[in-house]
This record gives sequence, C-alpha cells and structure tokens, in this order.
Amino acid sequence: GENVEQHPSTLSVQEGDSAVIKCTYSDSASNYFPWYKQELGKRPQLIIDIRSNVGEKKDQRIAVTLNKTAKHFSLHITETQPEDSAVYFCAARTSGTYKYIFGTGTRLKVLA
Amino acid sequence: GAVVSQHPSWVICKSGTSVKIECRSLDFQATTMFWYRQFPKQSLMLMATSNEGSKATYEQGVEKDKFLINHASLTLSTLTVTSAHPEDSSFYICSVLKGGDEQFFGPGTRLTVL
Repeated sequence: GENVEQHPSTLSVQEGDSAVIKCTYSDSASNYFPWYKQELGKRPQLIIDIRSNVGEKKDQRIAVTLNKTAKHFSLHITETQPEDSAVYFCAARTSGTYKYIFGTGTRLKVLA
Repeated sequence: GAVVSQHPSWVICKSGTSVKIECRSLDFQATTMFWYRQFPKQSLMLMATSNEGSKATYEQGVEKDKFLINHASLTLSTLTVTSAHPEDSSFYICSVLKGGDEQFFGPGTRLTVL
C-alpha cells in the first residue's frame, strides 16, 4: 500500500543553524506534497507545499525540494529560531484521490 | 486558508457511553471533510472521508459501526464514538478539503474514556 517514510524522528539544532527533514513516498502517482507544523496539543498547520510539476519552492526561511525520480522530498528550514520547535509532518497525496498519507513526524528542537 | 472548528475541545466519558464530536467549516462550504485519529507522539491516521449527502468512506481497519460519521450539511460533519472504551481514548482531528488539494485542520478533540 501507499507509504511515506520520514527521517529523522527527532532533530536538535542550535539556533541559527539549518534543519533538514526528509521524506520518501512509495506511490509514483503522488502529485501533491504538503508539510505541516504541529505544536503540542494544537492542530497541524500547513507551512509549505509543492506539486509534482515543480522541483523547488521557497517561502522566506522555509523551502521544499522534490525529486520525483527518487520519490524524495525534503523540508529545509534556515536560520532556525526557538519558535520553530515543533513536530513536522510530511504528507503525500495521490492523483485522483483526496487522501493524504502522512509521514511519521519529526520532532524538531531548536536550542537557544 | 479555511476556518475549522471542533466541539468539544476535550471530553471525558465513562466506558460504554457514546460521544459525539462536531466539526464545522466556518467560512466556506465543504463538500469533503476528513476524520483523523492521533495517538500521543504519533502521526495522523486517516479514519474516514466524509462526503456531504452520502455515506462516509472508511479506511481499512476502522469499524464503521463504532465510529459513526454524518455529513448532513456543507458546514458540519459529526463523528460519534459509540460504546466507547478506554482504547478509544485519543486526539480526534477533522479537516476540510479546499481547492482540491489543501486540507485545513480543526483544533482537535481530546477524548478520554474512563
């Protein structure tokens, strides 16, 4: 079945450093890849997304890259700040369906 | 974006009772809503897809007679956990589908079954 793997499960970085989270999906028909940030006890918030016809997208300190051939996509956060500390989830959606398959999450801790 | 509310935000109930959770789309008419379940420190697991005016589509392994979903209007979907047991305790989150791709999540409902 469809599967999304996410690594690492936990990540600690010093404030100001960059953080990279990677996901791999199994269904080659996937065409939409959102990233969500979830703070403890709160709802997931969409922070950036990318579609399969684009290789990279950037929004200020956040960027996402997509390698369709390898079925990889990654989240890059630059100049990390303590408020970036949260759990980040990637997801993949297959063309023709509305279902998201979520990754297992990455707990990011930014150390001041 | 989209504004999504859930009610209640948390509920404690006794084993064997039923609990209804409401998910409302406040600023647009949502044909499709989703219900997820999230255990502590785990990912979101899709339970079912709720389509206005038709039966929900349940994911494999989700008991449709236990988790009743009703999407009677374009702004409201409800999840009823019937005959709740302690193992049903979890964080339940709904989302609405907007624009064909994007999902916007409700704030979640924490259910504790004693």
